[in-house]
Amino acid sequence: AQSVTQLDSHVSVSEGTPVLLRCNYSSSYSPSLFWYVQHPNKGLQLLLKYTSAATLVKGINGFEAEFKKSETSFHLTKPSAHMSDAAEYFCVVSDLETGNQFYFGTGTSLTVIP
Amino acid sequence: EAQVTQNPRYLITVTGKKLTVTCSQNMNHEYMSWYRQDPGLGLRQIYYSMNVEVTDKGDVPEGYKVSRKEKRNFPLILESPSPNQTSLYFCASSPQTGYTEAFFGQGTRLTVV
Repeated sequence: AQSVTQLDSHVSVSEGTPVLLRCNYSSSYSPSLFWYVQHPNKGLQLLLKYTSAATLVKGINGFEAEFKKSETSFHLTKPSAHMSDAAEYFCVVSDLETGNQFYFGTGTSLTVIP
Repeated sequence: EAQVTQNPRYLITVTGKKLTVTCSQNMNHEYMSWYRQDPGLGLRQIYYSMNVEVTDKGDVPEGYKVSRKEKRNFPLILESPSPNQTSLYFCASSPQTGYTEAFFGQGTRLTVV
């Protein structure tokens, strides 16, 4: 069965410092993995996706994530946090077994301190 | 512009009064789904549809109905809403081929009093 665990429900960083949001997944097949961001009172926006190509994936706004099969992880990083990065972040898994159903983690709320 | 459109964006209703939240996509996607978002629980799938006239239950289907008569539309129906259905609802669509992301609507915030 597919599942996603976001290891931190809340992360606080100072502006200009690195961001690390952690995600572990379980999947019986080769998964597709996604990170979505949700700003307050907004919908979900795709940050980046892994679909069995390069393991290091670059997304929008300077975010990137690395797919590590041996660790079943897909952590999201950014070298330098900006105030506008404050939002809720969701890690999502999908695979062929589920016919394109998406399974969401419970989310990580990122706070950026000026 | 490629998009998923939900209506209404905000809705306050009373217990037991039937309501429908509409969802429409203009990308010719086969796969559509409904989620509800609750604090600390992330997004949980209510129902999904792999194509016209094909629907199936997700993880939390109780109290909801859906239909897929046309490829572009996937309405969510609450026959008799209850306060525990107060939530933020998202519709999503994606191609059926897999390995592609889902596109989300802007959300519908429903309050049942």
